[in-house]
Amino acid sequence: AQSVTQPDIHITVSEGASLELRCNYSYGATPYLFWYVQSPGQGLQLLLKYFSGDTLVQGIKGFEAEFKRSQSSFNLRKPSVHWSDAAEYFCAVASGRGYQKVTFGTGTKLQVIP
Amino acid sequence: EAGVAQSPRYKIIEKRQSVAFWCNPISGHATLYWYQQILGQGPKLLIQFQNNGVVDDSQLPKDRFSAERLKGVDSTLKIQPAKLEDSAVYLCASSFWGRKLFFGSGTQLSVL
Repeated sequence: AQSVTQPDIHITVSEGASLELRCNYSYGATPYLFWYVQSPGQGLQLLLKYFSGDTLVQGIKGFEAEFKRSQSSFNLRKPSVHWSDAAEYFCAVASGRGYQKVTFGTGTKLQVIP
Repeated sequence: EAGVAQSPRYKIIEKRQSVAFWCNPISGHATLYWYQQILGQGPKLLIQFQNNGVVDDSQLPKDRFSAERLKGVDSTLKIQPAKLEDSAVYLCASSFWGRKLFFGSGTQLSVL
């Protein structure tokens, strides 16, 4: 069965510093991978997705993620964090027929300090 | 384009009472999902519909939870009777053909 692991529950970074959030997945076939962001009291918003092709994908708000098959990872990065990036970030994998079943990780809460 | 609509936004009930949540997906989206998100955890899939048929309800506690999507459009999720551990945010999402999900703002349920 598919699964997603986000090893960091909580991360604190200074505004302007770089950011990397870790995600490891488990799935027998080629995965479809996502990063979602959830601000307090809000629904989840898609940041970026990987289906195939270039393993470095660009997303909204200056985020990018790199798919590494050998490490079963899909880490999210941002070169310079803004205070408005403080939120919870979820990695997810799509599986099953038509890749319609989407399984989420437990999330990483990002705190940004001035 | 209108997003995924959910109501109510908040609900407070006592244990053993019943509650229902409503979701209207984006027009034309055949796939509809209900997720449960307990505080501090990631969303957990409860049930997935393709049009008006159930694709996956393996994690739905069927002794107390039920869901329907009778006309293949909007959907209702019901809990009867509610338990304290059902306190969570219930998220509805829809997609045109899987993969990219569009989420509603969720219903925050508190069971006292």
